[in-house]
Amino acid sequence: EAGVAQSPRYKIIEKRQSVAFWCNPISGHATLYWYQQILGQGPKLLIQFQNNGVVDDSQLPKDRFSAERLKGVDSTLKIQPAKLEDSAVYLCASSPTLGVPAVIQYFGAGTRLSVL
Amino acid sequence: SQKIEQNSEALNIQEGKTATLTCNYTNYSPAYLQWYRQDPGRGPVFLLLIRENEKEKRKERLKVTFDTTLKQSLFHITASQPADSATYLCALDRRAQKLVFGQGTRLTINP
Repeated sequence: EAGVAQSPRYKIIEKRQSVAFWCNPISGHATLYWYQQILGQGPKLLIQFQNNGVVDDSQLPKDRFSAERLKGVDSTLKIQPAKLEDSAVYLCASSPTLGVPAVIQYFGAGTRLSVL
Repeated sequence: SQKIEQNSEALNIQEGKTATLTCNYTNYSPAYLQWYRQDPGRGPVFLLLIRENEKEKRKERLKVTFDTTLKQSLFHITASQPADSATYLCALDRRAQKLVFGQGTRLTINP
């Protein structure tokens, strides 16, 4: 089966510009996650969707970050305006059906964002 | 506050030896603990999962232990090979389908 697809792979922008990332999860996976991974750190959850509803966005900086998952499949994550500290890899992951007690997450390759 | 720590940022091991990575946590009561592998430029890949009532889990050359009293998991790679070189991440799973990751340990296996 196809894995989690993300695009673009790399993005360089200047501070105060906006940027968007796209994710297509594994077919049939109801749960979708966006993570931020700063160099030398582990992934940090930004937002979790169940189908097209938000389950957890407690760590999403809502003044500048937004995310949506239309029709419960693809998702986009947007940053507007970007700050220097947003430089990181943005990872998308998906997992199968809600209700399974221990859920394995499948990650995409990520988008490396550099804010200059 | 809640904290997850992996023993070191980097670990160098001679090929053929056993690599042991440590994951310690405080102020968590995880139902499960997972280990992932991450190669440069790639997303994490799931390796093993261990439940809170399990002491040990094995998969080929990999072994994970989970001590909820010590609040620690050990991850072992036996007969290590240069291809095992990667960053290894532990993640706590608290029954909400959410994972909280440690900072990772970069493992290098020297030929």
